[in-house]
Amino acid sequence: DTGVSQDPRHKITKRGQNVTFRCDPISEHNRLYWYRQTLGQGPEFLTYFQNEAQLEKSRLLSDRFSAERPKGSFSTLEIQRTEQGDSAMYLCASSLSGRGSYGYTFGSGTRLTVV
Amino acid sequence: AQRVTQPEKLLSVFKGAPVELKCNYSYSGSPELFWYVQYSRQRLQLLLRHISRESIKGFTADLNKGETSFHLKKPFAQEEDSAMYYCALSDPGNTPLVFGKGTRLSVIA
Repeated sequence: DTGVSQDPRHKITKRGQNVTFRCDPISEHNRLYWYRQTLGQGPEFLTYFQNEAQLEKSRLLSDRFSAERPKGSFSTLEIQRTEQGDSAMYLCASSLSGRGSYGYTFGSGTRLTVV
Repeated sequence: AQRVTQPEKLLSVFKGAPVELKCNYSYSGSPELFWYVQYSRQRLQLLLRHISRESIKGFTADLNKGETSFHLKKPFAQEEDSAMYYCALSDPGNTPLVFGKGTRLSVIA
């Protein structure tokens, strides 16, 4: 296990197109989180899963954003009808539930550029 | 609402000088506090957590509930400490981490 993997590393898309990002967490971790980070800001929480259940999604930025974790393993984050304001780094992290004090393991992120 | 404030966007110190990165939080209960670090071209990684009271790479941080602070300190800065540092908070129910905006530490030789 090489840690949390995110794919792709970079994505350039035209405004109005849909994009999907993938995150593969550490296999033993049952919690998976999505964050967004823009220039000069800290990571901003979007949504998270415990196994396949999405426990919080009210922080998703709009109804254009959705996330899934169908089998409790990898997760996808989809942005529909992208806008220039969606340009950011999208981070995925994983952890064990009940072990929050051990912190999260982050992936390298997917950098989205909307042109 | 949970909030983490890092008042300094950039902190520059000379090598060998003491370092203090400030972090203040807003939370009514007993939070769990963390410091994360991101070195150039690397992913965000956990540096230390208040619950373990540990020292990592010479850094320590003490939770001060009276001042609602969790400042990160190191007595003698090294060039390899140059990085972005983020303070983060969670509640004991393990809700998702809330991050501050970060402080860029630059250690000058």
